[in-house]
Amino acid sequence: SYVLTQPPSVSVAPGQTARITCRGSNIGTKSVHWYQQKPGQAPVLVVYDDGDRPSGIPERFSGSKSGNTATLAISRVEVGDEADYLCQVWDSSSDHPYVFGTGTKVTVL
Amino acid sequence: QVHLVQSGAEVKKPGASVKVSCKASGYTFTGYFIHWVRQAPGQGLEWMGWVNPHTGGTDYAQKFQGRVTMTRDTSISTAYMDLGRLTSDDTAVYYCAKGLTGMFDFWGQGTRVTVSS
Repeated sequence: SYVLTQPPSVSVAPGQTARITCRGSNIGTKSVHWYQQKPGQAPVLVVYDDGDRPSGIPERFSGSKSGNTATLAISRVEVGDEADYLCQVWDSSSDHPYVFGTGTKVTVL
Repeated sequence: QVHLVQSGAEVKKPGASVKVSCKASGYTFTGYFIHWVRQAPGQGLEWMGWVNPHTGGTDYAQKFQGRVTMTRDTSISTAYMDLGRLTSDDTAVYYCAKGLTGMFDFWGQGTRVTVSS
């Protein structure tokens, strides 16, 4: 089955930029979506289709893709951005077509 | 605005079944699939399947086939997920989510299911 790999953790100082990677085979051919999940809460969609933002999501959240890696960038990081971030794709060849990444815990120092 | 409101926490014994509901509001219920995704303690998200509220059609992840049933009641804009033959491995938070072209744009608040003897 398809696998998306993320670093377990990323630490960043307030005001700096956090970058979270998501690696998967042929990810360049798939649309990548990103979710923010705070402890005890449901996930929230923050970026879809590689780099678009849903209504209400700050411009500080942006997505990009290059080669086999997608990246979520959070600029001007705030304490409130501390959360788990998960990438997700739809893989038609998998018996679990909706695939989530392993998740990255972003810690604001 | 879109809201998905799920039923409350459940405690079940091994071998039992659990049925979780998800009431939708703020959009046309029959226009979008409802997906179910679960998250075991300290683990990632796992997609379980979807129900098409318009037709009642379903698609389940192979892992859950034969053990899960997803239904809907369009008269009350509510989707249901019924999981049977529970084991301790099914202890998790179960989420419903509104589907949109390969992603999930709105999520329910989650329902904690604990399986314990």
